[in-house]
Amino acid sequence: NAGVMQNPRHLVRRRGQEARLRCSPMKGHSHVYWYRQLPEEGLKFMVYLQKENIIDESGMPKERFSAEFPKEGPSILRIQQVVRGDSAAYFCASSETMNTEAFFGQGTRLTVV
Amino acid sequence: QKEVEQNSGPLSVPEGAIASLNCTYSDRGSQSFFWYRQYSGKSPELIMFIYSNGDKEDGRFTAQLNKASQYVSLLIRDSQPSDSATYLCAVDNFNKFYFGSGTKLNVKP
Repeated sequence: NAGVMQNPRHLVRRRGQEARLRCSPMKGHSHVYWYRQLPEEGLKFMVYLQKENIIDESGMPKERFSAEFPKEGPSILRIQQVVRGDSAAYFCASSETMNTEAFFGQGTRLTVV
Repeated sequence: QKEVEQNSGPLSVPEGAIASLNCTYSDRGSQSFFWYRQYSGKSPELIMFIYSNGDKEDGRFTAQLNKASQYVSLLIRDSQPSDSATYLCAVDNFNKFYFGSGTKLNVKP
């Protein structure tokens, strides 16, 4: 049973480009969370999704950021028109049901140049 | 007010000592509490979870929960240099995990 898979591990984008981060949850997990971690800071919640539904996006910036978790395929975090301040590690976690522990992927490190 | 608060540290302890990491949370309705360890440049890994008031022991780790005081702690006995990492407290509130900013632990040989 593979763990949570994120790709790419490292992503470099120029200012103004789009970044797409992918997360495949553990087998049997239908709950996905996205977090952002700035250098030397803690994890910040962004969005919580279940299959085809956004449950809570209170941590998502209002503009340029979106997330989806389609019926088939990985969850996608999309950042449009990236700026240097978007440079961070983006972690995805998944859990099987409510109130169970979440397991993390290895993260995608986004660098905006 | 942040949902989960931790002292950022760094907390320095000598090898073999007990390291005590603390966390407070704001929502009394929180049911599940987790400790994650994150090595520099790596993803967080779950080390313990606790649901009930009291202590839960797993090897050198003991998690303590006091819901009345909204307080969770992690004790690491016989600390080793390999325990040096950032420890993140997480609270599950209606299935949204809130993380503290983490406490950096440094175990000196």
